[in-house]
Amino acid sequence: AQTVTQSQPEMSVQEAETVTLSCTYDTSESDYYLFWYKQPPSRQMILVIRQEAYKQQNATENRFSVNFQKAAKSFSLKISDSQLGDAAMYFCAYRSASGGSQGNLIFGKGTKLSVKP
Amino acid sequence: KAGVTQTPRYLIKTRGQQVTLSCSPISGHRSVSWYQQTPGQGLQFLFEYFSETQRNKGNFPGRFSGRQFSNSRSEMNVSTLELGDSALYLCASSLVLAQNNEQFFGPGTRLTVL
Repeated sequence: AQTVTQSQPEMSVQEAETVTLSCTYDTSESDYYLFWYKQPPSRQMILVIRQEAYKQQNATENRFSVNFQKAAKSFSLKISDSQLGDAAMYFCAYRSASGGSQGNLIFGKGTKLSVKP
Repeated sequence: KAGVTQTPRYLIKTRGQQVTLSCSPISGHRSVSWYQQTPGQGLQFLFEYFSETQRNKGNFPGRFSGRQFSNSRSEMNVSTLELGDSALYLCASSLVLAQNNEQFFGPGTRLTVL
């Protein structure tokens, strides 16, 4: 079974600084998708960024980028120029690209990010 | 376009009762997934529906069930409630069951079992 591990329960960053959230996963599959979701205190989960395992190029979305290391099974999220609105729980998630589990996201426990003004 | 809506937003029940939660996906979306979120277990997958058929089910007891209607709206039901069922229940919709489709989450229903 696949597992997702986020080793940092809480992180803190100064406004305008850069922070990196860690995520590792375990799978025997070669084809899958990885996601970072953000859950602000209002609780509505939103997708931040996603990465297809077959793509070597790291995904980037504005101030958010990932460092995808397939061999190491690592998928970290870098937030540049942190803003107060970035404060939230961040979840790393895995989805298989095969079989009947396509809709099944496997989540890590989350990292609570605080942004200091 | 309206987002995913879930009703009710908050619910208080007592042990032994049953509860039904509702999810309306984004217009045009045909896939609905349900997740349970608790402080201890985190986010866990319950089930997924597409075109009124359950496509996948997580590791939850039979007390948890769901269905999807022809308009893609989905309901989940929990019978014989236990204290441990207290959680935030999240619904997510996606366009189709494509391998890389994005899931859009609703605000959740906070269920408290007393």
